[in-house]
Amino acid sequence: QLVVTQSPSASASLGASVKLTCTLSSGHSSYAIAWHQQQPEKGPRYLMKVNSDGSQTKGDGIPDRFSGSSSGAERYLTISSLQSEDEADYYCQTWVTGTWVFGGGTKLTVL
Amino acid sequence: EVQLLESGGNLVQPGGSLRLSCAASGFTFSSSSMCWVRLTPGKGLEWLSAISNGRTYYAGSVKGRFSISRDDSENTLYLQMNSLRVEDTAIYYCAREYGTGASGWVSIDYWGQGTLVTVSS
Repeated sequence: QLVVTQSPSASASLGASVKLTCTLSSGHSSYAIAWHQQQPEKGPRYLMKVNSDGSQTKGDGIPDRFSGSSSGAERYLTISSLQSEDEADYYCQTWVTGTWVFGGGTKLTVL
Repeated sequence: EVQLLESGGNLVQPGGSLRLSCAASGFTFSSSSMCWVRLTPGKGLEWLSAISNGRTYYAGSVKGRFSISRDDSENTLYLQMNSLRVEDTAIYYCAREYGTGASGWVSIDYWGQGTLVTVSS
């Protein structure tokens, strides 16, 4: 069964970098995922697609501070030069033959 | 600028019905695949339904109870929700899909701000 797993929470200091992880279940390490950001009281925003080879396709207007990468079954979202507005929930999502799967989300706190 | 604006969320009793609307602008709505996704505290994000090239798709949790439709002349997406249950309580988002099943990848590139549906007696 295709499952994507995220840590419930993460924190980092203002101006620092943070790396969030999305882990694909066994047997699905070749799948691409997408990252979505949800700031408080707002609708989600598409950040990027990350492929198994680490290549990424960003959404419109996504700053260079946001980048994606891959290693095995893990997909990463790295946010550098953290700003207060980066405090949000981050969801990973994948899709295969009509099945949508969302991770449980990671709540990022900017200290 | 792509904009998706949902409306129609409300408090409804179990067993009741509600219709959500999503007004779209800033892109060619008629040629876009659209979907509904909801967010609940307990289950997180859940894809519910999509409409693409005249075909409709549903998650098992809402199949037979929810119906997606669109009016391309009004650039509006709808979600008719019947036989509502307490567990349908959530924020409902309208979203634009990108990618196709044929390409092997489907995701969302634009989301609305959401509308709250509360099912309670």
